[in-house]
Amino acid sequence: GAGVSQSPSNKVTEKGKDVELRCDPISGHTALYWYRQSLGQGLEFLIYFQGNSAPDKSGLPSDRFSAERTGGSVSTLTIQRTQQEDSAVYLCASSPRDRGQDTQYFGPGTRLTVL
Amino acid sequence: GENVEQHPSTLSVQEGDSAVIKCTYSDSASNYFPWYKQELGKRPQLIIDIRSNVGEKKDQRIAVTLNKTAKHFSLHITETQPEDSAVYFCAASKNNAGKSTFGDGTTLTVKP
Repeated sequence: GAGVSQSPSNKVTEKGKDVELRCDPISGHTALYWYRQSLGQGLEFLIYFQGNSAPDKSGLPSDRFSAERTGGSVSTLTIQRTQQEDSAVYLCASSPRDRGQDTQYFGPGTRLTVL
Repeated sequence: GENVEQHPSTLSVQEGDSAVIKCTYSDSASNYFPWYKQELGKRPQLIIDIRSNVGEKKDQRIAVTLNKTAKHFSLHITETQPEDSAVYFCAASKNNAGKSTFGDGTTLTVKP
């Protein structure tokens, strides 16, 4: 079946512009994560959605970052007034949380470059 | 919240040797421990996982061991090959309760 997809694959923007990144999770997966990964670095947690529960936004680095998940499926990560330090790969992952196991399936990522 | 520490941050081995990566976790209620492999320019992918009711799990050349008392788990790769070169991440989570927590990753280099 189809895996997690993300769009766009690459995004180049100018400092101060807003960007929207999209994630299409695997159908039926109740959990969805956003991570940020800078070159050669680890996975920086941003936000977590689980079913109808309130999202865990504890990883969002500033109020310029927000995310929503509509209808328990597609998610959009929005970065307002982008800064150069926002340049990174943004990864989305979904998980079925079968039997409580949080096995994450990652998308290919969106490479964001802020000029 | 949960804290996961992963060591070493970098590991270099000769082809054919074994590699071991260790993670410790802080929340004794954590009960699911996956390992992910991320090749250069690719997305992380699950390679093996273990639940807290099991002490060891093997899949060909890779194995994971779990010590619940000490709250640590390890990834073992035997007979390493150049294609094992990648970044490896460990993670910990609890049943249906909150997000997973990842370690900072280990960059494994297998020299031919």
